[in-house]
Amino acid sequence: DIQMTQSPSTLSASVGDRVTITCRASQSISSYLAWYQQKPGKAPNLLVYKASNLESGVPSRFSGSGSGTEFTLTISSLQPDDFATYFCQQYNSNPYTFGQGTKLEIK
Amino acid sequence: QVQLQESGPGLVKPPQTLSLTCSVSGGSIRSGGYYWSWVRQPAGKRLEWIGRIYITGSTNYNPSLKSRVTISVDTSKNEFSLKLNSVTAADTAVYYCARVRVEDYYYYYMDVWGKGTTVTVSS
Repeated sequence: DIQMTQSPSTLSASVGDRVTITCRASQSISSYLAWYQQKPGKAPNLLVYKASNLESGVPSRFSGSGSGTEFTLTISSLQPDDFATYFCQQYNSNPYTFGQGTKLEIK
Repeated sequence: QVQLQESGPGLVKPPQTLSLTCSVSGGSIRSGGYYWSWVRQPAGKRLEWIGRIYITGSTNYNPSLKSRVTISVDTSKNEFSLKLNSVTAADTAVYYCARVRVEDYYYYYMDVWGKGTTVTVSS
């Protein structure tokens, strides 16, 4: 199975900050990576697919990059609604696997 | 806008069968073009993909669960279901259903999720 490792596990930041979350795969997954946002008790929300494609309706302050084994999700200017947990998922091969999540907290 | 809602018993005794249903609204499963999937998350652990199904009944499962899992679809009810047999405490988790989009003919990712339902396995 492909192991997905996110860093950091927790991130404290302030409104207006630029933040970056990293996701590393244990082997190459080409660009088949998705990023999701999740808030407690709510459905996960797709942000980015194929590493860098922004899902329709997602604010442009979110962006994704990377290929192979290293990927990043960047939020250019944090808004109050962005404080949540973010996780990556590879869909290059079965079983599709997820990162452990990054909790973005208010500093 | 399509919405998904999981339903089923919140408590299952070992080694019985866990059965959940995902009701789809705002769109028809029968129209095709999407697959339908189940994912779970034990408390404090990462998400785990369980499997997916197409309207034809074609399925793909996580090899670690394949021997115990059955996913089925009922297009007349616009819903799909999960059965996991011989459950143990390790199957206690929040279970999510999700719609699956296909990319480049062969690559599948989840674009719309339900809110999840908690299932506890305990005698």
